[in-house]
Amino acid sequence: NAGVTQTPKFRVLKTGQSMTLLCAQDMNHEYMYWYRQDPGMGLRLIHYSVGEGTTAKGEVPDGYNVSRLKKQNFLLGLESAAPSQTSVYFCASSYSAAPGYTFGSGTRLTVV
Amino acid sequence: KNEVEQSPQNLTAQEGEFITINCSYSVGISALHWLQQHPGGGIVSLFMLSSGKKKHGRLIATINIQEKHSSLHITASHPRDSAVYICAAKIPPTSGSRLTFGEGTQLTVNP
Repeated sequence: NAGVTQTPKFRVLKTGQSMTLLCAQDMNHEYMYWYRQDPGMGLRLIHYSVGEGTTAKGEVPDGYNVSRLKKQNFLLGLESAAPSQTSVYFCASSYSAAPGYTFGSGTRLTVV
Repeated sequence: KNEVEQSPQNLTAQEGEFITINCSYSVGISALHWLQQHPGGGIVSLFMLSSGKKKHGRLIATINIQEKHSSLHITASHPRDSAVYICAAKIPPTSGSRLTFGEGTQLTVNP
């Protein structure tokens, strides 16, 4: 099925561990995004990409890195996880010219 | 103060009621999205508006650019409409079609 696929869906990390979240889309979208969702707050943009090989910082980029080596994949890395990074992470993608957004199903990350 | 605000934060209705969720924003926008997030977390895009009104089934979205306000209406509400509804604005200058999100409205429709 066409769409945005995030892996893993759940993960528990210990403080200081590293991990990578993978986002894959098969709609040939140019733009991809990583957001985090926390209770009482709207989704906040971590990093985004407007094309293969390009990335840019969003609202809350500290503690995260991203890469977009292939157009269909957008990776979010946590080099040294902290409890403040406990959140639900959503990937999304869109065309550059068309307005529609497609979201992944989310990754629930807990850092203990 | 968030640039995009929603009201109410929580809304409980009886099946069949007409529901309105409001979204206001404090700056100029180029587009406004309404999203639905079900328990279990998946987010689905319902509408994208830049002017006027859109309708899909029992859902209607309107926007008033001059008043910086948008509403999402649900007619003949049903328990399966229970979800969090989120408005999100594209606020220029915004590269990459980034959105600024409201905090969401938790809707519960009781049978």
